[in-house]
Amino acid sequence: GQQLNQSPQSMFIQEGEDVSMNCTSSSIFNTWLWYKQDPGEGPVLLIALYKAGELTSNGRLTAQFGITRKDSFLNISASIPSDVGIYFCAGQGGSTLGRLYFGRGTQLTVWP
Amino acid sequence: DGGITQSPKYLFRKEGQNVTLSCEQNLNHDAMYWYRQDPGQGLRLIYYSQIVNDFQKGDIAEGYSVSREKKESFPLTVTSAQKNPTAFYLCASRPTLRTANEKLFFGSGTQLSVL
Repeated sequence: GQQLNQSPQSMFIQEGEDVSMNCTSSSIFNTWLWYKQDPGEGPVLLIALYKAGELTSNGRLTAQFGITRKDSFLNISASIPSDVGIYFCAGQGGSTLGRLYFGRGTQLTVWP
Repeated sequence: DGGITQSPKYLFRKEGQNVTLSCEQNLNHDAMYWYRQDPGQGLRLIYYSQIVNDFQKGDIAEGYSVSREKKESFPLTVTSAQKNPTAFYLCASRPTLRTANEKLFFGSGTQLSVL
């Protein structure tokens, strides 16, 4: 199955810093989703993007659907300790209805 | 409360044994999915079902089986043919395929370990 390229694999930052991560695909996607997973729990949806160029915010989180439709970015501003977790991108193309493809995740650690 | 319920939270399997993981949703979603998660890996699709009495293999279906007799339920059986079953298993669902809504919602997962 298709796997998205998500980077970085891990990040260690100080509380208050901004964070940026991204995902790229070899295929064009119609939808990009960003999830956060806490240890031992299921992923929780943070932001959904449906149009190329779309920029959407959810509190301190901002995500963008790349113009080429092959990439997406997630930014977290002024990080806090509860931002710790694994962030996943997921995408879906038009020809694979019902199937989402996931990145390997970015492990975020925030030092107080 | 509406949501996706997975049980049990922790499960241990003896060699040669089949085990079944439960997934129930009361969100009235048509489609349901099973993913496997290994440490440091992304989510890999095992099986998915877009409608009752129908399901399709995902990328790593070997050693697993599913059924979809009711809209609310999509149990996953890990058979003895699955030689490396230790992983975190996630069930997910999404609304009707007739909409453009691609949001996938997850349960809280089941950790399966081999004794």
